[in-house]
Amino acid sequence: GAVVSQHPSWVICKSGTSVKIECRSLDFQATTMFWYRQFPKQSLMLMATSNEGSKATYEQGVEKDKFLINHASLTLSTLTVTSAHPEDSSFYICSARGGGGINNEQFFGPGTRLTVL
Amino acid sequence: GEDVEQSLFLSVREGDSSVINCTYTDSSSTYLYWYKQEPGAGLQLLTYIFSNMDMKQDQRLTVLLNKKDKHLSLRIADTQTGDSAIYFCAESENDYKLSFGAGTTVTVRA
Repeated sequence: GAVVSQHPSWVICKSGTSVKIECRSLDFQATTMFWYRQFPKQSLMLMATSNEGSKATYEQGVEKDKFLINHASLTLSTLTVTSAHPEDSSFYICSARGGGGINNEQFFGPGTRLTVL
Repeated sequence: GEDVEQSLFLSVREGDSSVINCTYTDSSSTYLYWYKQEPGAGLQLLTYIFSNMDMKQDQRLTVLLNKKDKHLSLRIADTQTGDSAIYFCAESENDYKLSFGAGTTVTVRA
């Protein structure tokens, strides 16, 4: 199947700093990318959906000024957690679709573990 | 939002069958999925079923859907050590936005 990478795989930062997470589709063009957040023993929660070249659509309860999403190209989307606080510590997962496959399958990245001290 | 629930853990002996269960609440679910996540890797689509089907078989995998009870199960026949992973159930109304369960950690013991 298609490959989606995320960078970094883990990051530790101080409270108040901003952190950028990259999501790349390596062998296909992703017209749509999704960003999820996962807490331990809980389900993946969709944060936002981004289409290349347009503004992201955020789910209810997700602060768009807190979680900045940019989908500037068909192979790259970035999530920036601005002024991070300990409660932002979580596992962030991206997925991408647009590469064909079964029913426009979503291909998932391996996730980024964010720890805010 | 839609709720998808699944048990958190399952331990199974190598060679036995594994059955992972999932329930969902959204009656508009059209697509139901099973994903597998191995350590350090992204979720991988294992199989999916349309809501107008009640069973789908793919090699060692059998998916059963009871739409009336909103119950989905994944059976893995002849479970192997390589099947140890976290299995996520998911549903979607439109094959676009997915709602996931919390994942079932399957441990295969010798």
